Amino acid sequence: DAGVIQSPRHEVTEMGQEVTLRCKPISGHDYLFWYRQTMMRGLELLIYFNNNVPIDDSGMPEDRFSAKMPNASFSTLKIQPSEPRDSAVYFCASSRTGGNNSPLHFGNGTRLTVT
Amino acid sequence: AQTVTQSQPEMSVQEAETVTLSCTYDTSESDYYLFWYKQPPSRQMILVIRQEAYKQQNATENRFSVNFQKAAKSFSLKISDSQLGDAAMYFCAYRMGYGGSQGNLIFGKGTKLSVKP
Repeated sequence: DAGVIQSPRHEVTEMGQEVTLRCKPISGHDYLFWYRQTMMRGLELLIYFNNNVPIDDSGMPEDRFSAKMPNASFSTLKIQPSEPRDSAVYFCASSRTGGNNSPLHFGNGTRLTVT
Repeated sequence: AQTVTQSQPEMSVQEAETVTLSCTYDTSESDYYLFWYKQPPSRQMILVIRQEAYKQQNATENRFSVNFQKAAKSFSLKISDSQLGDAAMYFCAYRMGYGGSQGNLIFGKGTKLSVKP
């Protein structure tokens, strides 16, 4: 089991550029989550999917952020245009149905720096 | 809305000693799950221990154990025989049982644990 795979591990971009973060969940997991971590706000849920369908996107900051899950093995989080305040670590996590004690398995995160 | 509070931003423990990290939460639900995650400097999020709210028995995983007080909405983590590798940020997290955004994990702000040799 390779775990949740995120790419890239680091991303540095200039303000106004488009950024795409990628995630491959653990095979067989039907929930996928995108979290953002900052010093000020801690870990915040941005959006999560169940069976590839977005269930709760209330945490998505604004229209500049969008997330897709075209199939069970791939998801993207896109920021367009990026701003310096988007600088953070973005985590993808997955879990499977089977009681909510099923924990979330996290990827190693993408550290995004917008200059 | 559910909230999770970790009142200790930083803690320190001597190697081989025991330390307890505090966590309280607020919910009107009766069915839910609680977790402790560890985040070392590598930033990987690692599950330490989990607790189902319907179980009265406190969860234990090797040197890690919890003190779950449902009425007080308290969920503390005890680390026994602390090791240098335990140094990390520790996050307490809540997940609702059924209904609503049942999938979402709500995290506390974290406690940074230092282990002194």
